[in-house]
Amino acid sequence: AQSVAQPEDQVNVAEGNPLTVKCTYSVSGNPYLFWYVQYPNRGLQFLLKYITGDNLVKGSYGFEAEFNKSQTSFHLKKPSALVSDSALYFCAVRDLYNFNKFYFGSGTKLNVKP
Amino acid sequence: DTAVSQTPKYLVTQMGNDKSIKCEQNLGHDTMYWYKQDSKKFLKIMFSYNNKELIINETVPNRFSPKSPDKAHLNLHINSLELGDSAVYFCASSPKGGGYTFGSGTRLTVV
Repeated sequence: AQSVAQPEDQVNVAEGNPLTVKCTYSVSGNPYLFWYVQYPNRGLQFLLKYITGDNLVKGSYGFEAEFNKSQTSFHLKKPSALVSDSALYFCAVRDLYNFNKFYFGSGTKLNVKP
Repeated sequence: DTAVSQTPKYLVTQMGNDKSIKCEQNLGHDTMYWYKQDSKKFLKIMFSYNNKELIINETVPNRFSPKSPDKAHLNLHINSLELGDSAVYFCASSPKGGGYTFGSGTRLTVV
């Protein structure tokens, strides 16, 4: 079975500092990995995805994620955090046999302080 | 020009009632979904329809019944509501092999 884990419930960073939100995956084959962001009282919004190719994937709002096969990780990063980045971030993996099915991590709350 | 819209946004109802949540997408996607997000923000898939055909039906009580009159609509009907059904329900859609577009959610509170 496929799954993702987000080991941190919450990440606190100061505005202007780099941020990292961690995600590790467990997949028996090549993983299709995604990051979504959820702002308060809103639905999830797609940030970026890794299917194949370059290990560094660039997405919306200046975010990027690095796929690391040896560490089975797909951490979300941004060089300089903004207060407006404060939100709930979800890592997800697509089911290998059913492309319509995703498994989401438990979410990480990012707090960016001014 | 909302892409995935759900109604209502908020729903407060008594135990034992029957209620429906509606979802519509104007993206031309073939596949639609219902997800449940509990109080700890954990997201779990409930159902998925592809072109009006049920393709994913997770372990969900029979009190929950999805209905897809056409590929742009996926409604969720819940019978005999229970306290544990309180959650935020998200509708989503996707093109074949693509990522999801989510609606803004329906916060269901059963009292």
